[in-house]
Amino acid sequence: GAVVSQHPSWVICKSGTSVKIECRSLDFQATTMFWYRQFPKQSLMLMATSNEGSKATYEQGVEKDKFLINHASLTLSTLTVTSAHPEDSSFYICSARVSGRGHNEQFFGPGTRLTVL
Amino acid sequence: SQQGEEDPQALSIQEGENATMNCSYKTSINNLQWYRQNSGRGLVHLILIRSNEREKHSGRLRVTLDTSKKSSSLLITASRAADTASYFCATDATGNTGKLIFGQGTTLQVKP
Repeated sequence: GAVVSQHPSWVICKSGTSVKIECRSLDFQATTMFWYRQFPKQSLMLMATSNEGSKATYEQGVEKDKFLINHASLTLSTLTVTSAHPEDSSFYICSARVSGRGHNEQFFGPGTRLTVL
Repeated sequence: SQQGEEDPQALSIQEGENATMNCSYKTSINNLQWYRQNSGRGLVHLILIRSNEREKHSGRLRVTLDTSKKSSSLLITASRAADTASYFCATDATGNTGKLIFGQGTTLQVKP
């Protein structure tokens, strides 16, 4: 149980286009999902917290108009990278927090590798 | 922002040896978690240790937590080539925001 999927697993796009990445909790409900970005040979940087039915909370330095997050249901959150540029090329990873658990147990998706040409 | 620091940044050992990685953090925490990441892949949760725990074991893994020093260590005993990966600590800060803040990671290479 507690499987999180991401789609697509990799994507290549042209500069200036928008890319949508989906994060799904397959066998549990997640009121909260998190989006991270990881550059090569670096650690995960939290971008934003996605709460079902409300606006996402962005970390300092992350542009909310560039990285649009929609958490429309208890099993799906989407991250849209708008007007992508080569510097947005990165590994994007989501995680889902299991609802109702006392401690913070999160399950991570396999990641989406974005390459912007 | 990243609050954790890990050392060493890179570690290379022979199969069968033990590997120890350290993590330091800055704020009060609810718990600290260790994850493994194989190159270009997602994260695998290894172990969670709560702030009121000092040591925890899981198979060949042993984690310690010293909240007075704001540090944790991960020991992998009898390492295997398959343990080659990057290892990250992540802290869940007090206040239960749910956010995990990751350390910089340790890249472990286990030579067969």
